[in-house]
Amino acid sequence: EVQLVESGGGLVQPGRSLRLSCAASGFTFDDYAMHWVRQAPGKGLEWVSTISWNSGSIDYADSVKGRFTISRDNAKNSLYLQMNSLRAEDTALYYCAKDITRLGESFDQWGQGTLVTVSS
Amino acid sequence: SYELTQPLSVSVALGQTARITCGGKNIGSKNVHWYQQKPGQAPVLVIYRDSNRPSGIPERFSGSNSGNTATLTISRAQAGDEADYYCQVWDSSTVVVFGGGTKLTAL
Repeated sequence: EVQLVESGGGLVQPGRSLRLSCAASGFTFDDYAMHWVRQAPGKGLEWVSTISWNSGSIDYADSVKGRFTISRDNAKNSLYLQMNSLRAEDTALYYCAKDITRLGESFDQWGQGTLVTVSS
Repeated sequence: SYELTQPLSVSVALGQTARITCGGKNIGSKNVHWYQQKPGQAPVLVIYRDSNRPSGIPERFSGSNSGNTATLTISRAQAGDEADYYCQVWDSSTVVVFGGGTKLTAL
């Protein structure tokens, strides 16, 4: 059974940093691209970032480019999102999601999310 | 940047067919994926690459894509189908794009 478990969320002040983690199990982690997708309270899904199977290709949404960094450790079956210079508009539930391919296309498995609240 | 347009809401009588559209410029040339999200739950992939169902998704869910519109069709709608539905594509300029979501109400 595929499991994706996010952690690291919490309440943080504007301008501060936070690092999210996603522990994966139940599949061959290094065979798939991975993603972070967020959802602000009462809003729709917003893609944040994608990393290919071997970290050779990385993309970010314009809204987080230059502030967030995605990474993965295939030896530890883990995905990360380093979030710097956080803003109130970054407040959301952050989902880790597995792709159906090595490079990125669609999300066939999702974690339950970790909540990030940016507020003073 | 590429944009996807979905109706805010769709209603369907129980047992009837619901159709949820996703509009985008020449979307027929792209692979479209659909997600179902029930309140308080993570999204679930229900259709990938226009018309393919992941394992465990009922045959009542189907998809099509042509021209400027992709469509998710839910046949014999059930109360348990009530959810938000999102379309998504992979675009060369914007990378990942989600539609705004459609709330399906079963009457």
